[in-house]
Amino acid sequence: DIQMTQSPSSLSASVGDRVTITCQASQDISNYLNWYQQKAGKAPKLLIYDASNLEAGVPSRFSGSGSGTDFTFTISTLQPEDIATYYCQRYDNLPPRFEFTFGPGTKVDIK
Amino acid sequence: QSQLVQSGAEVKKPGSSVKVSCKASGGIFNSDGINWVRQAPGQGLKWIGGIIPIFGITNYAEKFQGRVTITADDSTTTAYMELSSLTSEDSAVYYCARTRRSDGYNFDYWGQGTLVTVSS
Repeated sequence: DIQMTQSPSSLSASVGDRVTITCQASQDISNYLNWYQQKAGKAPKLLIYDASNLEAGVPSRFSGSGSGTDFTFTISTLQPEDIATYYCQRYDNLPPRFEFTFGPGTKVDIK
Repeated sequence: QSQLVQSGAEVKKPGSSVKVSCKASGGIFNSDGINWVRQAPGQGLKWIGGIIPIFGITNYAEKFQGRVTITADDSTTTAYMELSSLTSEDSAVYYCARTRRSDGYNFDYWGQGTLVTVSS
């Protein structure tokens, strides 16, 4: 099984700071990596798909990069509304088989 | 407006089963998939399994194999997730999510979540 890790597990930053979260896969997953934002009490929201593609309607301060086993998610200028937990998600799609695995999450707070 | 609307909260006894529904509207059911994810209190997201209704294909996470059944009714554009042999560890919020298969493979629409509480 492919395992996903994220670091840090939590962070506290000031408004306007650049925030970086990393996600690592235990095996090469190409660019099959998505990022989600989950605010307290709400369903997750897709931000980035296939490692670096910004979902429509998502602010451009969010970005993603990486391939293989190492991935990075960045908030270029942290805003108060970005307080949330961020999850990476790896997928495997070899029809008829499909499988998804989430990382453990990174909680982002405002300092 | 595309959306997924889930059934309401459930309270179940240990050993029983629960069936949660997820109704799709706005044209997001046809060739796409519906997957189920759960989140225990204070915990992260766990993929349970999913279905691609147009092909009748289902896949389940190994952890839930043999205990979960995911089905879909094309006529009502509704997907269902049934989990059996419930224990207190199954107490969680259960989400359905539309699996977009055209731009990558991701969950772009989510239901509002259904709280399942397992208690004697």
